[in-house]
Amino acid sequence: DSGVTQTPKHLITATGQRVTLRCSPRSGDLSVYWYQQSLDQGLQFLIQYYNGEERAKGNILERFSAQQFPDLHSELNLSSLELGDSALYFCASSLYKAPTDATGELFFGEGSRLTVL
Amino acid sequence: LAKTTQPISMDSYEGQEVNITCSHNNIATNDYITWYQQFPSQGPRFIIQGYKTKVTNEVASLFIPADRKSSTLSLPRVSLSDTAVYYCLVGGAGSARQLTFGSGTQLTVLP
Repeated sequence: DSGVTQTPKHLITATGQRVTLRCSPRSGDLSVYWYQQSLDQGLQFLIQYYNGEERAKGNILERFSAQQFPDLHSELNLSSLELGDSALYFCASSLYKAPTDATGELFFGEGSRLTVL
Repeated sequence: LAKTTQPISMDSYEGQEVNITCSHNNIATNDYITWYQQFPSQGPRFIIQGYKTKVTNEVASLFIPADRKSSTLSLPRVSLSDTAVYYCLVGGAGSARQLTFGSGTQLTVLP
């Protein structure tokens, strides 16, 4: 158990709909990262938050948005869903933000599997 | 953005040592190199992290040459349960840049 909690574990919805994925980081971790993993694909970085502020942005579509709340949990909002959005969405957390951080281990949750029909 | 390149797949037999190399030609000065293991439908798990030379822990060793443009994950005496995808990640967890995973190497351990 990594200590990172993601809900829901599974979600089935239809094209055009909107969903929200939730992530609770490990206790004390300030950074949250979101990744998308499509079938047989690698991990695509979407976005990172540190202590409530956006810190880095990857290949996140305009239809997607995220935020980190004062209690440090994060939500990833996916709207106008398309079939190609079907994927595993992983959240990870880490404690540090310093660029020279030597212990920058990411702790991943078990993922939210989104199926768009 | 530090792009990484890894072999797509590797096969090995139980008990053998496996070396997986990752190429990261444009690694930045402050970047660390981290390797993760992922089983199907699970989140990646940290294996080892290093900055230069050699790092060893209870499950693996990481070799990084002086120019840091590549790294090699070494798994001693693999077992069937080591069958997984192995990812090389270059960056700092606190960096304001993307933490980009490579395409991963599917390691299959055969009996």
